[in-house]
Amino acid sequence: KQEVTQIPAALSVPEGENLVLNCSFTDSAIYNLQWFRQDPGKGLTSLLLIQSSQREQTSGRLNASLDKSSGRSTLYIAASQPGDSATYLCAVAGGTSYGKLTFGQGTILTVHP
Amino acid sequence: DVKVTQSSRYLVKRTGEKVFLECVQDMDHENMFWYRQDPGLGLRLIYFSYDVKMKEKGDIPEGYSVSREKKERFSLILESASTNQTSMYLCASSFRSGALWDPPSEKLFFGSGTQLSVL
Repeated sequence: KQEVTQIPAALSVPEGENLVLNCSFTDSAIYNLQWFRQDPGKGLTSLLLIQSSQREQTSGRLNASLDKSSGRSTLYIAASQPGDSATYLCAVAGGTSYGKLTFGQGTILTVHP
Repeated sequence: DVKVTQSSRYLVKRTGEKVFLECVQDMDHENMFWYRQDPGLGLRLIYFSYDVKMKEKGDIPEGYSVSREKKERFSLILESASTNQTSMYLCASSFRSGALWDPPSEKLFFGSGTQLSVL
């Protein structure tokens, strides 16, 4: 059974700092990995999607990398801003069940001015 | 922009009631999903549908059923609501770029969620 772990569970940084969020998964036979952002009491917004054949994806100040063989992904946020404060979740698609994404528990990020 | 709309933001129901949660997407997506999100348990897949009138069980289908009569609409039904079904319910959709049984390869778009309380 696929398990997804995100470290750290919570992170507090000053504005302007570069930071890295980590995601690890136990079964490397994945099709893709997505990073999401969730604001309190709201739904999830997909930030980046990395296919299993790709090594990284970039969008603005965000860069996500994927190392399938070691079961790891990182989300790098450059020059963090207070507006980046949210919960960040990673999810992997894989296994024998079509459409099944397995989510991590998330990292709660607080960027203080 | 893709819009996934859930009919209610907050809902309060009594145990034993039949509850309908509605979800509509406006981007002609083939795939639609229902998740629930609970503190400490994360997001868990209840049901998903990869086409009209098609449905597949997720990890926790017990106590739930779904209906997809039209492509844009995916309904979650709680046959007889119980207190342990108090949760945040999230609907999602995605485009299917490959064959029917190909794994999902497109971004998942979520609605804003329905916070359901069963008293």
